Amino acid sequence: RKEVEQDPGPFNVPEGATVAFNCTYSNSASQSFFWYRQDCRKEPKLLMSVYSSGNEDGRFTAQLNRASQYISLLIRDSKLSDSATYLCVVALRGAQKLVFGQGTRLTINP
Amino acid sequence: GAVVSQHPSRVICKSGTSVKIECRSLDFQATTMFWYRQFPKKSLMLMATSNEGSKATYEQGVEKDKFLINHASLTLSTLTVTSAHPEDSSFYICSARDYGGYTFGSGTRLTVV
Repeated sequence: RKEVEQDPGPFNVPEGATVAFNCTYSNSASQSFFWYRQDCRKEPKLLMSVYSSGNEDGRFTAQLNRASQYISLLIRDSKLSDSATYLCVVALRGAQKLVFGQGTRLTINP
Repeated sequence: GAVVSQHPSRVICKSGTSVKIECRSLDFQATTMFWYRQFPKKSLMLMATSNEGSKATYEQGVEKDKFLINHASLTLSTLTVTSAHPEDSSFYICSARDYGGYTFGSGTRLTVV
């Protein structure tokens, strides 16, 4: 079983739609959780950290369920510029290294 | 915010030669840096953790004699791909832990011909 698993995608949705990504992690010792976005042939960039209480940043909402070891990302009112690959990322307690999910490719269509 | 500079951004080399990739933290000190590799349409896979002043820690399956890592200062880590083969062609990305989280270099696209 992979340490971090994501929806396989790809997702193709019209502009303005709401998109939801899911992610599960296998190690219960995981402590820190993130969503990164990666544009084609570029480095990953932090989209948002994910907190137990859930957090929102503009059109983006992230949720964490520690009991189910499940993380989600919701994008509302999607824009063309949201087209990218979204990476679910986890770090273990006490460890510095990040573990990446395989990513979900999102394409927003005009 | 924190900046990690990675060079070169793209390199083409012949099989059998060695290629060095540099990763610098520009406005912070990084005692630990990470080196990842990403194949097309795949996610980032951690290759090794680079520790300033000590030996790097390699992930399982990564040949330490082929991927030489040097972290001689608090702001510079280098990855040398030795005796490169076409199957080493990939996107290599470094990362450093900074005060706000993790910052990535812009990546190096290596093509071995």
